[in-house]
Amino acid sequence: QSALTQPASVSGSPGQSITISCTGTSSDVGNYNLVSWYQQHPGKAPKLMIYEVSKRPSGVSNRFSASKSGNTASLTISGLQAEDEADYYCCSYAGTSTFRVFGTGTKVTVL
Amino acid sequence: EVQLVESGGGLVQPGGSLRLSCSASGFTFSSYAMHWVRQAPGKGLEYVSTVSSNGGSTYYADSVKGRFTISRDNSKNTLYLQMSSLRAEDTAVYYCVKGGVVVIACPIYWGQGTLVTVSS
Repeated sequence: QSALTQPASVSGSPGQSITISCTGTSSDVGNYNLVSWYQQHPGKAPKLMIYEVSKRPSGVSNRFSASKSGNTASLTISGLQAEDEADYYCCSYAGTSTFRVFGTGTKVTVL
Repeated sequence: EVQLVESGGGLVQPGGSLRLSCSASGFTFSSYAMHWVRQAPGKGLEYVSTVSSNGGSTYYADSVKGRFTISRDNSKNTLYLQMSSLRAEDTAVYYCVKGGVVVIACPIYWGQGTLVTVSS
C-alpha cells in the first residue's frame, strides 16, 4: 500500500498560482475518478477542498481547482493568499484489495 | 451542522488494547460510510479503516488488519475502533471521518481527532 507521491513543498508569492501534483498508479488514481484533496492547517483537522477529481464542496473558494491526467492528479491554487499556507493531501480509492491511499503531503508556503 | 466527537484515546502499553468511540450528530448517521484515518506526530495522513452505512462491509489497511476492528451502532449514532496488540508505530492522532453515500469515495468531514500513545 504505497502512498501517492506528492512534492514535499511548494511555494509562491501572494497572487500567484501554484500546482501540486499527486502521482499514483493505474491501480488507483489512473483507474478511478475518486480523487479528493484536503487542506490541513497546523494543529487542525483536515478539510475537504476537492472531491471526485475536480468538484468543489459548497463553501470552498473557486481559487481552488483540480484535474487528473493518467496516473497524476493536480491541485491548483490561484491568487495565492496567506491563509492558503497549509499542508495539502490527496486521496484516492485504490480498488478492493488496497481500498484507499493518501498522498505523502505537500507543505505550501506563501512567500 | 455535522459534528464528530472522538473519545477513548490515551496512553497504552505495547501489546495493550484500546477502544475509540466517535459520537456523530447533525446528519443521518445510518446513511453514510464512516472512516478512521490516523496521523502520527509530524507525519502525513494514513488510512486505517472504513465501514459501510449498515455496518455490513468493513475494510482495513494492511498495517492494522487482524489487530483493529471497526464497527458502528446506528441506533446510537456512534462509530467505534477496537484496537488490540498495539505497537509503538500505532501512536497517532486518530480521526473519525464522515464518508459519502458511496463507500469507496474518499472521506469527507473530519472530527478533531483523539491522540493514542503506545509506550511503556
